[in-house]
Order: sequence, then C-alpha cells, then structure tokens
Amino acid sequence: DQQVKQNSPSLSVQEGRISILNCDYTNSMFDYFLWYKKYPAEGPTFLISISSIKDKNEDGRFTVFLNKSAKHLSLHIVPSQPGDSAVYFCAARKNSGNTPLVFGKGTRLSVIA
Amino acid sequence: KAGVTQTPRYLIKTRGQQVTLSCSPISGHRSVSWYQQTPGQGLQFLFEYFSETQRNKGNFPGRFSGRQFSNSRSEMNVSTLELGDSALYLCASSRDWGNEQFFGPGTRLTVL
Repeated sequence: DQQVKQNSPSLSVQEGRISILNCDYTNSMFDYFLWYKKYPAEGPTFLISISSIKDKNEDGRFTVFLNKSAKHLSLHIVPSQPGDSAVYFCAARKNSGNTPLVFGKGTRLSVIA
Repeated sequence: KAGVTQTPRYLIKTRGQQVTLSCSPISGHRSVSWYQQTPGQGLQFLFEYFSETQRNKGNFPGRFSGRQFSNSRSEMNVSTLELGDSALYLCASSRDWGNEQFFGPGTRLTVL
C-alpha cells in the first residue's frame, strides 16, 4: 500500500515558467513533509520541508503548499531553470516515535531552455 | 566537511551470492538509514541504526541485514542474491531522528 503517491512520473516545463510537482498521501498520521531533489549518479539532497501546522513554506524559488484536508502537497518552482532538471521525491513521516521517512516514487522534471 | 561516502560505487554479482555494502556517515552523525531505489518504486526504507542499535526496520526479507559500528559506520548485507535485488542502495546519515538526512551517492548493485 503506497502511502505517498506522486502520480506524475515526468513533467516538462519551459525555462522561466512555473513548475508544479504534486504529491498525495494517505496516512493521516503524517505531519511532516519534505521534498528531495536527485541528480543522476548522486544521492538525493534535501530541498524544502513543511510541518502540518503550516500550509505554506517558501525558500527562494521553491515554495511548498500543504492542504491537509485533501492530504495533498505541491512544490512550486518559480522561475524554472535548466539546472532544476532532476528527479523530485516527496517524503512524509509522523513527527514522533522515531518513524522512518516514507518516499513517493518521484517525478522527473525536465526544464527546457 | 566530508559528506556521506559509500563503497563500492558499483558492484556486479550473480544470483545466490552475498554482498556487503559500506557507508561512512558525516562526522558527528549517529543515525544511519538505508534505502533501496529501483526504477518505478522510489526509495524503499530498509533499516535505520542509531548508536549501534537497529531502531527501525522496513518490510524486507531477512536476507537483508545490517549493522553499525561504534564509529557510526554502517554495513548492509544481502545474502542469497536474487535478480530483483538489482537496485541503487542509498545510505543517509543524520545527527538523530528528526534531523535532516544527508544521502550518499549510492551503490549500484547489479545481480546477473
């Protein structure tokens, strides 16, 4: 049973436009959410996170939105740059009890110049 | 500050063999987690070690095992390899649970 779902395996966006990556979760106990970015031949790197007490967190060009009632979060990248081309993973966990992160399958973003 | 290192980076084995992968965490990090990444499956959690104790375990068969040493370095072992074990194995370290995880580059295991 997949608790964190990224239903779009890939996404193509033109340089300078907005990229929107979506993530849905089924476990209502999750209260902390993260996005990781992964380039080929490298491990994932942490991008941005959000706690369930917030509905938005912003860091430069990256903004994560959380809709708890819909169990949905999204990552917005504005403006998109060719260097943003990577696989993006959504992850979630319960913020207690030493529980591990649960990852989605990832979305491959291609930013076209 | 050196990042998380994993050795070897690439490995080719045949079915039935066993393999040991190594992970050296960032200095000062006591938590080490292991993940398996296969095409179309994302990152699947294997196990997490903290201060030489397994603190969490994912839903993998007993052929997958691990350990952590007193210097926080960790190893994972897969016995009786199957074709489906071909994957990228990622190690991540953090100071403790709840802190940001830093990933190594992974070990690409191919089982023939």
